[in-house]
Amino acid sequence: EAQVTQNPRYLITVTGKKLTVTCSQNMNHEYMSWYRQDPGLGLRQIYYSMNVEVTDKGDVPEGYKVSRKEKRNFPLILESPSPNQTSLYFCASSHRDNYGYTFGSGTRLTVV
Amino acid sequence: KNEVEQSPQNLTAQEGEFITINCSYSVGISALHWLQQHPGGGIVSLFMLSSGKKKHGRLIATINIQEKHSSLHITASHPRDSAVYICAVRFSGGGADGLTFGKGTHLIIQP
Repeated sequence: EAQVTQNPRYLITVTGKKLTVTCSQNMNHEYMSWYRQDPGLGLRQIYYSMNVEVTDKGDVPEGYKVSRKEKRNFPLILESPSPNQTSLYFCASSHRDNYGYTFGSGTRLTVV
Repeated sequence: KNEVEQSPQNLTAQEGEFITINCSYSVGISALHWLQQHPGGGIVSLFMLSSGKKKHGRLIATINIQEKHSSLHITASHPRDSAVYICAVRFSGGGADGLTFGKGTHLIIQP
């Protein structure tokens, strides 16, 4: 089944403890991206990647890192999480970037 | 700043009604997407448009490039259509790539 798999689905962590949210797709998509969704603000792009070893900042990249060492994986790294990073996170992928997007199921992160 | 505006923010209707959700954007785009998000959070891509009109079942999406406007229509609405509908665009030209999202329309269809 074609899908984008995010892990974990839920995560509660403490301020400053490094964490990684994984994202993997099995559709050989070139384009992958990360978004956060907050009440009243909607979805906002954090980082995106046009292909392996090519990443770039979106609208809200501060406090996040990404890497794209393999085509299928695009992990989101929070080196020192803070409470304002409490949010619902989505990974998505597509062929190039003018085709329909496939979204992961989301990761609900709480930083206390 | 490139913006995406959706209306209405909230919409409650009776089962069977014809539903229209609107999306307008500020500058030229290369593609517009309509997304659906059910309670519980998962996001599904409904349509991708760069011109004209697309139909899938009871859902119809149209775009008018000159007016910078798109609409999503639901015919014969059903309670299972209750969800948040999100418009997202990829702006053409320079700058950061990727999608810019509207804030969503929260649709409730009552039986």
